[in-house]
Amino acid sequence: KQEVTQIPAALSVPEGENLVLNCSFTDSAIYNLQWFRQDPGKGLTSLLLIQSSQREQTSGRLNASLDKSSGRSTLYIAASQPGDSATYLCAVRLQSGGSYIPTFGRGTSLIVHP
Amino acid sequence: NAGVTQTPKFRVLKTGQSMTLLCAQDMNHEYMYWYRQDPGMGLRLIHYSVGEGTTAKGEVPDGYNVSRLKKQNFLLGLESAAPSQTSVYFCASSYPGMRNIQYFGAGTRLSVL
Repeated sequence: KQEVTQIPAALSVPEGENLVLNCSFTDSAIYNLQWFRQDPGKGLTSLLLIQSSQREQTSGRLNASLDKSSGRSTLYIAASQPGDSATYLCAVRLQSGGSYIPTFGRGTSLIVHP
Repeated sequence: NAGVTQTPKFRVLKTGQSMTLLCAQDMNHEYMYWYRQDPGMGLRLIHYSVGEGTTAKGEVPDGYNVSRLKKQNFLLGLESAAPSQTSVYFCASSYPGMRNIQYFGAGTRLSVL
């Protein structure tokens, strides 16, 4: 069974810092990996999707990398802003069988203070 | 284009009552999912559907039933609500295949007293 772990569980940083959020998974035969953002009391919003054949994806100040061999993905946030405060979740889909069924990590709660 | 819409947004039930949560998507997605989110537990899959007329169990299906009579709608039913079903429920949808990005609704907050 795929297990997805996100470290740290919570993070509080001053505005302007560059951040790295981690996502690790136990089964490296993945189909793709997706990073989400969740604001308090809201649903999840997709940030980046990395296919198994890709090493990274970028969107604005966000960069997600994937290393299947080590079972890790990182979400890099450059020049953090208070508006980045949210919970960030990663979700992993396996190649075989239920490739449409993702396994979610429990998320990293991020606070960026002015 | 509304995306994924969940109704109701909030609900309070008494133990033993029944209710249905409705999820509607206007993106012509084949796949739809129901999750619950609890503090410290993350998102857990209740049931999912890979197409109209099909449903399957997820990680925590007990106490819930689902139906996908129309492609755009996915209903989650609680026949006899229990306090353990107090949670935030999220619906999601996606295309099949390589670009199966999931799109989520805003959630339904359910309290069972």
